[in-house]
Amino acid sequence: DAGVIQSPRHEVTEMGQEVTLRCKPISGHNSLFWYRQTMMRGLELLIYFNNNVPIDDSGMPEDRFSAKMPNASFSTLKIQPSEPRDSAVYFCASRRGVTDTQYFGPGTRLTVL
Amino acid sequence: AQKITQTQPGMFVQEKEAVTLDCTYDTSDQSYGLFWYKQPSSGEMIFLIYQGSYDEQNATEGRYSLNFQKARKSANLVISASQLGDSAMYFCAMRESLRGGKLIFGQGTELSVKP
Repeated sequence: DAGVIQSPRHEVTEMGQEVTLRCKPISGHNSLFWYRQTMMRGLELLIYFNNNVPIDDSGMPEDRFSAKMPNASFSTLKIQPSEPRDSAVYFCASRRGVTDTQYFGPGTRLTVL
Repeated sequence: AQKITQTQPGMFVQEKEAVTLDCTYDTSDQSYGLFWYKQPSSGEMIFLIYQGSYDEQNATEGRYSLNFQKARKSANLVISASQLGDSAMYFCAMRESLRGGKLIFGQGTELSVKP
């Protein structure tokens, strides 16, 4: 079975540009999570969806960040405009049910110059 | 507040020996889950082992076991017969069932296995 798929794997952009990260969860999984990993703050939950509905976006840093899940097999995380402090690894994860294990994608390494 | 603490930023172990990575947690929930993930230098997050708060026996998965001491709120990971490929960051995480099942992660322990 395919795992969580993320694209792109690496993204280098300039400050002020729009960045879109993409995620395809494991088929049959009902929940999807976006995390950010930095050396300073570790792994932080940004937002998560249950059945395509955003449940908790309290971790989204500011209005420059937005996330959507238009259907059960696709989600995007958008940063507009991007800033150098947004440089991090962004992970997407999915799980089948509330008590199930979260499985992570390979991550997107974002560098904002 | 819910919190996961990993007090060992870095650990060394000799190949073929066992090693214990510490994890303590703080929660007021009665129902919760504890996880360990491995992050090798390639960057992916790999699920290793899970322990539910109501599980009476310690979880085991191959060379991994979880030493769950509920009264002490600790969930230490034990790796037996360490291999060079075990060198990685290890994260302890807690899922809170009453808060939508979000995961809270510790800061991680970097394990280095020496040949």
